[in-house]
Amino acid sequence: EPEVTQTPSHQVTQMGQEVILRCVPISNHLYFYWYRQILGQKVEFLVSFYNNEISEKSEIFDDQFSVERPDGSNFTLKIRSTKLEDSAMYFCASSSLAGLSQPQHFGDGTRLSIL
Amino acid sequence: AQSVTQLGSHVSVSEGALVLLRCNYSSSVPPYLFWYVQYPNQGLQLLLKYTTGATLVKGINGFEAEFKKSETSFHLTKPSAHMSDAAEYFCAVSEAKDDKIIFGKGTRLHILP
Repeated sequence: EPEVTQTPSHQVTQMGQEVILRCVPISNHLYFYWYRQILGQKVEFLVSFYNNEISEKSEIFDDQFSVERPDGSNFTLKIRSTKLEDSAMYFCASSSLAGLSQPQHFGDGTRLSIL
Repeated sequence: AQSVTQLGSHVSVSEGALVLLRCNYSSSVPPYLFWYVQYPNQGLQLLLKYTTGATLVKGINGFEAEFKKSETSFHLTKPSAHMSDAAEYFCAVSEAKDDKIIFGKGTRLHILP
């Protein structure tokens, strides 16, 4: 069964540094998402992306965050200047249709640790 | 605004016993409802979802959930727990027009031998 793959599985970064989290969505999917889960807290929506632009973003997704689909396969989340509170598990998801008529498939996540 | 409340951050049941994980939601429009499972060091896997139609929804691994509009609930059940069911379970809600999923805080299910 096709999978969403995320790399790296664990990223350790100094505070203030830029970090790029990478995702390869399922190949025929058109809608892409990032979520995050701070340790011990709920999974939170960050951003959705379709047709090379952001369709929706949460309050968490401020100017420090950006997303990009640089080629036909990758979907990246960039945090420009990391803060301690950015430490979390970041999940990428993709789906073939919008409006949740098809389920979102999640990757295994990237654990981001900010020192 | 939508929200999800999961009662009990930890639930323990004996192997072979009934599993009941509680979820209540709040939504201003008819919701889409989901249960996801997260095994250790893995991502979120969809167990089942309710969109429209039959209120009793069957999912993978023998789980099912019933949408009760009058109670704004979507509790997850399994008749007989197995050791492999030990995981974190997330209830989630979304509006049909939106893409984003609003998750509950999760319930960690422990299976006792």
